[in-house]
Amino acid sequence: AQSVTQPDIHITVSEGASLELRCNYSYGATPYLFWYVQSPGQGLQLLLKYFSGDTLVQGIKGFEAEFKRSQSSFNLRKPSVHWSDAAEYFCAVGARGGNTPLVFGKGTRLSVIA
Amino acid sequence: EPEVTQTPSHQVTQMGQEVILRCVPISNHLYFYWYRQILGQKVEFLVSFYNNEISEKSEIFDDQFSVERPDGSNFTLKIRSTKLEDSAMYFCASSPQGQTYEQYFGPGTRLTVT
Repeated sequence: AQSVTQPDIHITVSEGASLELRCNYSYGATPYLFWYVQSPGQGLQLLLKYFSGDTLVQGIKGFEAEFKRSQSSFNLRKPSVHWSDAAEYFCAVGARGGNTPLVFGKGTRLSVIA
Repeated sequence: EPEVTQTPSHQVTQMGQEVILRCVPISNHLYFYWYRQILGQKVEFLVSFYNNEISEKSEIFDDQFSVERPDGSNFTLKIRSTKLEDSAMYFCASSPQGQTYEQYFGPGTRLTVT
């Protein structure tokens, strides 16, 4: 069965500092990988996704993520955080082969301080 | 940009009552999903729907739950007799057919069972 682990429940960074949110997955093969962001009172917005090819993927809002098969990881990064990035971030995995359900991690809450 | 919409944004109901949560998926999408997020926990898959039938469901989706696409635009989740533990945020999602696999989420309905 698939599973996703986001080891950090809450992270606080200063505005302008770099960010890395960790995600590890468990799956028998190479899955589809996603990062979603949820602002307070909002739905889940897709930041980026990995299906195949280049293991460094670019997303919206200046985010990127790197798929590392050997570490079963898909960490999210941003070189310079803005106060508006404060939100909940969810890593998710989907099985290959079609429109199958996503399995989410528990999320990491990001706080940004001045 | 097309988006998934959900109504109501917040529903309060008494234990034992029936509730219907409504979703309008993106118009050319063919796959529909319901997920839920109990406060402080991860987003969990409930059910997926394609071609007017359930394609997959989780253990959570027991006999008290049902889904329906009553017309060409709405997708509903009915909880027949609500329990306190059904209190959660319920998200609807939709995705197009094909390999892109992206699921687009609505803003959610917060269900509170008292």
